[in-house]
Amino acid sequence: GIQVEQSPPDLILQEGANSTLRCNFSDSVNNLQWFHQNPWGQLINLFYIPSGTKQNGRLSATTVATERYSLLYISSSQTTDSGVYFCATGGQDMRFGAGTRLTVKP
Amino acid sequence: EPEVTQTPSHQVTQMGQEVILRCVPISNHLYFYWYRQILGQKVEFLVSFYNNEISEKSEIFDDQFSVERPDGSNFTLKIRSTKLEDSAMYFCASREASYTFGSGTRLTVV
Repeated sequence: GIQVEQSPPDLILQEGANSTLRCNFSDSVNNLQWFHQNPWGQLINLFYIPSGTKQNGRLSATTVATERYSLLYISSSQTTDSGVYFCATGGQDMRFGAGTRLTVKP
Repeated sequence: EPEVTQTPSHQVTQMGQEVILRCVPISNHLYFYWYRQILGQKVEFLVSFYNNEISEKSEIFDDQFSVERPDGSNFTLKIRSTKLEDSAMYFCASREASYTFGSGTRLTVV
């Protein structure tokens, strides 16, 4: 099955810093989503982005499907951005990466 | 915005008992899923369901597990003879194009 790798596994930032999270996948895909898992365990959909670039406020994402990677950019990070960020991708059924645990310090 | 609803939010059960986790997918979605997440680990695919039958299942989804769509709105995951290692957060999802996840059921087997 498809392999999904995320990097870095852990990231610590000062409030206001920018960051880039990466998701590599092993096969061609027709869906890709980025999720934020909040402290209560909920999976919050950030982007549905099988290709191209999207922006939502301080967050943006780019997927280059031909090169099998996606990037999530967080600008001007805030403490509320802390949590685990998951990339999930696949064909009909998605598989998750192991996540990037982001800690934003005040 | 439409939501996927899961009940209960928390369940504690004795080892060996059967549990049924319930989900109400978004009404016009056709694909339904169950995933689980053991505490501190990644989210793992269990099973996908389309057109009233299982379309794919992982190696985790053995004979202990079953899924059902008993009526036009509910989608259930049954776990028979629960084990300690079944303790996890179980997520239901449905999709049209993008996936929408429910808030999860935290299952604790004691």
